[in-house]
Amino acid sequence: SQQGEEDPQALSIQEGENATMNCSYKTSINNLQWYRQNSGRGLVHLILIRSNEREKHSGRLRVTLDTSKKSSSLLITASRAADTASYFCATSGAGNMLTFGGGTRLMVKP
Amino acid sequence: GAVVSQHPSWVICKSGTSVKIECRSLDFQATTMFWYRQFPKQSLMLMATSNEGSKATYEQGVEKDKFLINHASLTLSTLTVTSAHPEDSSFYICSAGTVSSSYNEQFFGPGTRLTVL
Repeated sequence: SQQGEEDPQALSIQEGENATMNCSYKTSINNLQWYRQNSGRGLVHLILIRSNEREKHSGRLRVTLDTSKKSSSLLITASRAADTASYFCATSGAGNMLTFGGGTRLMVKP
Repeated sequence: GAVVSQHPSWVICKSGTSVKIECRSLDFQATTMFWYRQFPKQSLMLMATSNEGSKATYEQGVEKDKFLINHASLTLSTLTVTSAHPEDSSFYICSAGTVSSSYNEQFFGPGTRLTVL
């Protein structure tokens, strides 16, 4: 079942601007992961944040996690046209299962 | 990183036929494989979880007799869509996990696009 809600569903920005995507979930988690998917392709793992972490960075990516609000955000700084893709959050609880959010379709215009 | 392949990458079939999709972990042993379905502009929906050598666990609403899953080895799982109908047209993605994964990481295949005419 799909646990997460992501907003916005679609986001269009100019190259160089920052893009922020949000993810909310309902149940307790062990960790939350963000994935990227280019159109018609598989998923690429971007970053994982554990439930006891609040913020994590990887290159131009910054992820925050607020377990009290059951929400996470993904910030892409200085966006590039090549960042155009769909971005999904996925939560991991008991077992080895991932539950995906609805995704945000990001378009970065050159 | 770990590589997961899927074959075929796309398939077109006639209504009523069966289609088999393979998912392979190329450089690691996958004790667990997952099958997802993704409709256009939607998220991934987990269909089933399969563990090597045992029966797959299907998510609610997924017909096990229609979507046959076989996980015969630690590197191969297959999904067979039986008596396919146009509404089965979708993007099918597999992923593979290992017991050594410390944080439930799954490695995703590139997906298979199924079109049923």
